[in-house]
Amino acid sequence: AQSVTQPDIHITVSEGASLELRCNYSYGATPYLFWYVQSPGQGLQLLLKYFSGDTLVQGIKGFEAEFKRSQSSFNLRKPSVHWSDAAEYFCALNQAGTALIFGKGTTLSVSS
Amino acid sequence: GAVVSQHPSWVICKSGTSVKIECRSLDFQATTMFWYRQFPKQSLMLMATSNEGSKATYEQGVEKDKFLINHASLTLSTLTVTSAHPEDSSFYICSASQGLAGVYEQFFGPGTRLTVL
Repeated sequence: AQSVTQPDIHITVSEGASLELRCNYSYGATPYLFWYVQSPGQGLQLLLKYFSGDTLVQGIKGFEAEFKRSQSSFNLRKPSVHWSDAAEYFCALNQAGTALIFGKGTTLSVSS
Repeated sequence: GAVVSQHPSWVICKSGTSVKIECRSLDFQATTMFWYRQFPKQSLMLMATSNEGSKATYEQGVEKDKFLINHASLTLSTLTVTSAHPEDSSFYICSASQGLAGVYEQFFGPGTRLTVL
């Protein structure tokens, strides 16, 4: 079955520290992979996406993600977290033109 | 980039009334639009897939007679919550799919918060 797993429900990181949010997927082929961020009461903002090619993907706001086929993972990273990064993060996948399948999300808190 | 709008951004209605939510792709044509629902502190769940000019495809467990979807043009899809009840209170988000050179990407609207009293 197609699925996205975000193992960490809640993560707290100190401001300025590095961040890694985990995402694993189950899919029959290589899917398109996405990371979205959502602030409370707001819609989704696309951070980055992977369709094919270079497995290290750069996104907005200093985020990057690495696609690892052997581990069925697409982890999100940021070298230095800012207080404004506190939000809900969703990993998602699909195939061409199909609906997105979302993980349950990881809540990021940033401590000072 | 491609922009998707939703209207209204929030709505409060009485139990038993119907509410229509519009989803528009402003600068591109979308043959396929998707409707998602998000409960507080939860992820997005697909409700239905809407294709222009044809009937929507609903996910298992979603009542098609309660959540009426119309995709009358390549830039507009509407979701009507009929006879709304408090348990229908949720955040409804649409997305529109754009295909370029064989690559399809979805663009999300800002969402509509529905509160049923």
